[in-house]
Amino acid sequence: GAGVSQSPSNKVTEKGKDVELRCDPISGHTALYWYRQSLGQGLEFLIYFQGNSAPDKSGLPSDRFSAERTGGSVSTLTIQRTQQEDSAVYLCASSRGVEQFFGPGTRLTVL
Amino acid sequence: AQSVSQHNHHVILSEAASLELGCNYSYGGTVNLFWYVQYPGQHLQLLLKYFSGDPLVKGIKGFEAEFIKSKFSFNLRKPSVQWSDTAEYFCAVIGSNYQLIWGAGTKLIIKP
Repeated sequence: GAGVSQSPSNKVTEKGKDVELRCDPISGHTALYWYRQSLGQGLEFLIYFQGNSAPDKSGLPSDRFSAERTGGSVSTLTIQRTQQEDSAVYLCASSRGVEQFFGPGTRLTVL
Repeated sequence: AQSVSQHNHHVILSEAASLELGCNYSYGGTVNLFWYVQYPGQHLQLLLKYFSGDPLVKGIKGFEAEFIKSKFSFNLRKPSVQWSDTAEYFCAVIGSNYQLIWGAGTKLIIKP
């Protein structure tokens, strides 16, 4: 199965802790996206990587959020000093054209 | 800024009923439109997409959608729903930076 994979599937953390979420895109897909799905806000774009270009960070909600993509493949989304409002499902998608393929998401719960 | 609105947040239908879910977008230029579905416990998957050409597009599982440029609409339809269509449906448009801009979603429940 060569779909998008994400880990962990669930993460429970305490307020104030840092978390790292991982995404493995489909092999050969040059574009990678992070979205957040939460009860109050629906689905929101966070950040977009395309090849070796500088990422589009316009959707990141605060400077506590950052992401990197190493070697044009795996991506890590880091949330520092987590807050309760960060609780959500974090979705990763990859594409090599317009259609985006989604992973199963990481459900983050901040206590 | 581009936006997408879905008018119905919850829809309950009986099996074999016809379905139409509304979607309107706010962008007057060239649009790429999508409907995604999220079945309970599963991840988002593409139902259908419109880029150009025939405004009536057919997707998987008997779904179709019609792009009406004059109404800025891209409504999803299915002539006869099944219990297995119970899911959440999202309309989306590609934004200026290739990100998806999403509607709020419609939760569809089909009563057996």
